[in-house]
Amino acid sequence: SAVISQKPSRDICQRGTSLTIQCQVDSQVTMMFWYRQQPGQSLTLIATANQGSEATYESGFVIDKFPISRPNLTFSTLTVSNMSPEDSSIYLCSVLTSTDTQYFGPGTRLTVL
Amino acid sequence: RKEVEQDPGPFNVPEGATVAFNCTYSNSASQSFFWYRQDCRKEPKLLMSVYSSGNEDGRFTAQLNRASQYISLLIRDSKLSDSATYLCVVRHNTDKLIFGTGTRLQVFP
Repeated sequence: SAVISQKPSRDICQRGTSLTIQCQVDSQVTMMFWYRQQPGQSLTLIATANQGSEATYESGFVIDKFPISRPNLTFSTLTVSNMSPEDSSIYLCSVLTSTDTQYFGPGTRLTVL
Repeated sequence: RKEVEQDPGPFNVPEGATVAFNCTYSNSASQSFFWYRQDCRKEPKLLMSVYSSGNEDGRFTAQLNRASQYISLLIRDSKLSDSATYLCVVRHNTDKLIFGTGTRLQVFP
């Protein structure tokens, strides 16, 4: 299995500011992803974090709004830029391991005022 | 139309009951199928993978019908601790997971 930690676990931010969420996994993994889960909704994939290159974004998500870094095989960051109340959500890091199993981090609960 | 569709529930069942959840998916190129469980304010956790031949894990049985693009989960002898949201998930050959909206289960004493 993979143990994933995320920081911060929650934050309350003012509109117009940015927040960077960190994701650390305890082992090297094949792939890392960032998801968003809005209140009462299911999970939506934001992007695949690629090591050493630009992330691959899903339709409706752009790099300027959600810049992502993945400097190595066990660490990634997601920044939520120029936040608005609509960005209030839970942001989850996820990894795919060599056993073809996908695990999720505990999530970062973001509230934008 | 959503790519993965589930009845949102809630399903309210007494302890000991048998309950079944259904899920349909629209992309015939989907390659792998899973049920995840998500407790309130927690992250999703893999419950079981779903194979074409059907598979069982204790009280849980999962079935896949590729022709009908239909997945099911059966829970026997429900426990209070089974109360959660059950997410139907499919994966394409790109390794992306596509989630259904989830089915809420509430087991009462």
